[in-house]
Amino acid sequence: DAGITQSPRHKVTETGTPVTLRCHQTENHRYMYWYRQDPGHGLRLIHYSYGVKDTDKGEVSDGYSVSRSKTEDFLLTLESATSSQTSVYFCAIRNISGTSGKGGFGPGTRLTVT
Amino acid sequence: GIQVEQSPPDLILQEGANSTLRCNFSDSVNNLQWFHQNPWGQLINLFYIPSGTKQNGRLSATTVATERYSLLYISSSQTTDSGVYFCAALFSGNTPLVFGKGTRLSVIA
Repeated sequence: DAGITQSPRHKVTETGTPVTLRCHQTENHRYMYWYRQDPGHGLRLIHYSYGVKDTDKGEVSDGYSVSRSKTEDFLLTLESATSSQTSVYFCAIRNISGTSGKGGFGPGTRLTVT
Repeated sequence: GIQVEQSPPDLILQEGANSTLRCNFSDSVNNLQWFHQNPWGQLINLFYIPSGTKQNGRLSATTVATERYSLLYISSSQTTDSGVYFCAALFSGNTPLVFGKGTRLSVIA
């Protein structure tokens, strides 16, 4: 799909530690999103960004923060990781507000909190 | 509130069979997309279809916006079609895509 990378791809961390996931795009798309995927829940939105330094909360934002200091990077931080944050995290990008359908998903980051 | 519901939640097919997956959404949409998540976890765009019908090989999709549903048709299914199919709706303005919970498809040889 689109030029989107996520890092790390896999991470195991201990409860209480901070964790930062990175999403990097080469498409110069305005909109970037962080979703988490859990069995039985599909993909749920954590936070999204509609421009540099412009972010907003999604439906499951508690315990997460984001930053976007430049167009190509969108960082997701778990301030103090908990076991309930064990999940697969996907970053997505979109050119404009859905009208073209252009965009795509990154490969995902599998995070395990022990 | 805004909702996207998919049915059935699970589907098992014999190779070569046809299937229809359904997506209902609670309000008018600016955008409706179908995605396939393969067994390796990769999410692939299938269709961008806010209204009308589109076809791509053995797959086709129809959205009836006035009745708030979309259908994904898979014909002559193959084992490589296995995975989870998600629909996602953009309801207005700058709001993000809202996903359904997916239909897990297993195609058996």
